[in-house]
Amino acid sequence: GESVGLHLPTLSVQEGDNSIINCAYSNSASDYFIWYKQESGKGPQFIIDIRSNMDKRQGQRVTVLLNKTVKHLSLQIAATQPGDSAVYFCAVEGSSASKIIFGSGTRLSIRP
Amino acid sequence: GAVVSQHPSRVICKSGTSVKIECRSLDFQATTMFWYRQFPKQSLMLMATSNEGSKATYEQGVEKDKFLINHASLTLSTLTVTSAHPEDSSFYICSAREPSGGREQFFGPGTRLTVL
Repeated sequence: GESVGLHLPTLSVQEGDNSIINCAYSNSASDYFIWYKQESGKGPQFIIDIRSNMDKRQGQRVTVLLNKTVKHLSLQIAATQPGDSAVYFCAVEGSSASKIIFGSGTRLSIRP
Repeated sequence: GAVVSQHPSRVICKSGTSVKIECRSLDFQATTMFWYRQFPKQSLMLMATSNEGSKATYEQGVEKDKFLINHASLTLSTLTVTSAHPEDSSFYICSAREPSGGREQFFGPGTRLTVL
């Protein structure tokens, strides 16, 4: 089955610095990967996604990198702001189409 | 992006009662909706996939007779927690996917259930 894990449960960064959140997955057949942001008491908010035919995708202040060789993806947030404080989840569309499996989450906190 | 709503946002009930949570896609039709449960400081765990006009598909370990799912229309899926107990207290979140859209799922704001 599919499993997704994160390397660090918490991450503290200085305001203005870049943040890097990592995620590992197990199923090499996975072909769709998503990063979500969840603030306290709210549902997940889509940040960025990437398909397996790409290794990098950029959005506004965010970049997702995918390394299929080692089954690893990362989320990079440039110039981290206080509003970026949240829990970040990577998610993988499992071997069964349309089912998304969530990783365990990384809490990002920002130091002023 | 597409909007998904949930109602209620928060509910407190007594042990043994049943609670119904609604998930609506507001500006699109969703043939498939998903129900997740999230305990404090944990990730989202998929409970079931709700298919319009057919029976829901439950994940392993999720009791279908306890968590009743009805997807009666293309914009509404309901989750009923029957005979709720304190261990059912959790954050329940639904999501929906646009049939003609990409693979992105749109999530509702969640429903906080507290069973006394």
